[in-house]
Amino acid sequence: DADVTQTPRNRITKTGKRIMLECSQTKGHDRMYWYRQDPGLGLRLIYYSFDVKDINKGEISDGYSVSRQAQAKFSLSLESAIPNQTALYFCATSDLGVGTGELFFGEGSRLTVL
Amino acid sequence: AQSVSQHNHHVILSEAASLELGCNYSYGGTVNLFWYVQYPGQHLQLLLKYFSGDPLVKGIKGFEAEFIKSKFSFNLRKPSVQWSDTAEYFCAVNGPDKIIFGKGTRLHILP
Repeated sequence: DADVTQTPRNRITKTGKRIMLECSQTKGHDRMYWYRQDPGLGLRLIYYSFDVKDINKGEISDGYSVSRQAQAKFSLSLESAIPNQTALYFCATSDLGVGTGELFFGEGSRLTVL
Repeated sequence: AQSVSQHNHHVILSEAASLELGCNYSYGGTVNLFWYVQYPGQHLQLLLKYFSGDPLVKGIKGFEAEFIKSKFSFNLRKPSVQWSDTAEYFCAVNGPDKIIFGKGTRLHILP
């Protein structure tokens, strides 16, 4: 079983719909991250969380929200999806403080907004 | 603010050719540097990392990278590439609380 699990793996939705991408991990890490990947743009950080009570905006948080329901769960929501949010979304975890730790990625969630 | 620049967006090589992918970063503090690889249809995996010590870092599958502090660079190298190295490669640098990625280099190896 994967250490970092994302659901759904693929989703097609329509403009204006609310979408939630879920991430769960069994690595016991405190830090969790949501990135989006677009061709030619690399990975851009949306939100990150150091523990259940700590949520931080990344580079491109507009149009997104997150919820850290437990140490092991970190969900990303698009309240009203728009076509330019079509992308591959990755959840990741890390264990060490001060950003020194290796990131462990989920398999990705491909979202298409029509 | 920290940033990462990868010079080559798309590289095409023949098998057995030598590889060097450029990466420059800007960050004023102590850096930790990473190279990640993403094989087609897969998620990112760590190739190698530099935290401190020997600036020449060896990773998996014969890859290595050299940290040159004076040039703010962390270039990835491999003496002889294989068809299975076809993938996208991302350089990343830590900040005080998060890791920032470059835009990636897509490597295509011709058999």
